[in-house]
Amino acid sequence: KAGVTQTPRYLIKTRGQQVTLSCSPISGHRSVSWYQQTPGQGLQFLFEYFSETQRNKGNFPGRFSGRQFSNSRSEMNVSTLELGDSALYLCASSPSGPNRGDTQYFGPGTRLTVL
Amino acid sequence: EDQVTQSPEALRLQEGESSSLNCSYTVSGLRGLFWYRQDPGKGPEFLFTLYSAGEEKEKERLKATLTKKESFLHITAPKPEDSATYLCAVQGTSGTYKYIFGTGTRLKVLA
Repeated sequence: KAGVTQTPRYLIKTRGQQVTLSCSPISGHRSVSWYQQTPGQGLQFLFEYFSETQRNKGNFPGRFSGRQFSNSRSEMNVSTLELGDSALYLCASSPSGPNRGDTQYFGPGTRLTVL
Repeated sequence: EDQVTQSPEALRLQEGESSSLNCSYTVSGLRGLFWYRQDPGKGPEFLFTLYSAGEEKEKERLKATLTKKESFLHITAPKPEDSATYLCAVQGTSGTYKYIFGTGTRLKVLA
């Protein structure tokens, strides 16, 4: 099976711009989660989508949003970029079975640099 | 509130010097505990999933164990290519499906 893919791999934007990142989960996986990773804060949970519905949300401002399509592909959007948004953005997918802890599998990430 | 603490923050080992990484967790019912390896600038790579106390899993030089309060990642006779950051995460049964990550242990294995 192909792994989780993320596009683009690298992005450079300027303050005030907006950006859209894309994630294609492993085939058959219905849950997609997004994380922000910075050297100082570690992995911070942004949100999780399951069957096109946001199931969980982390403590990020409303500038961060996402959506999931019927084929489980997901996008996240960051509007009005700030310097502090520079980070590695990671997408993870899991089957999301009902009873046991599903393993999340991560993509390679998108490195966003805000100038 | 669910919480994960990893120790030590950083560890330097000589090649062949075995050691253990610790992951202490507080969760209202454990759905699963996960170990990942992450190389700089890359996404975390899945290593193990553990579900209940007493469970153990092995892969090459790595062995993960689980108790009701913590998990250990034992590294036997490490090699320089084992150098990476090792992340631990838990998923509880609190009604949401959030995965809570620790801040990781940065391992450096010297030749």
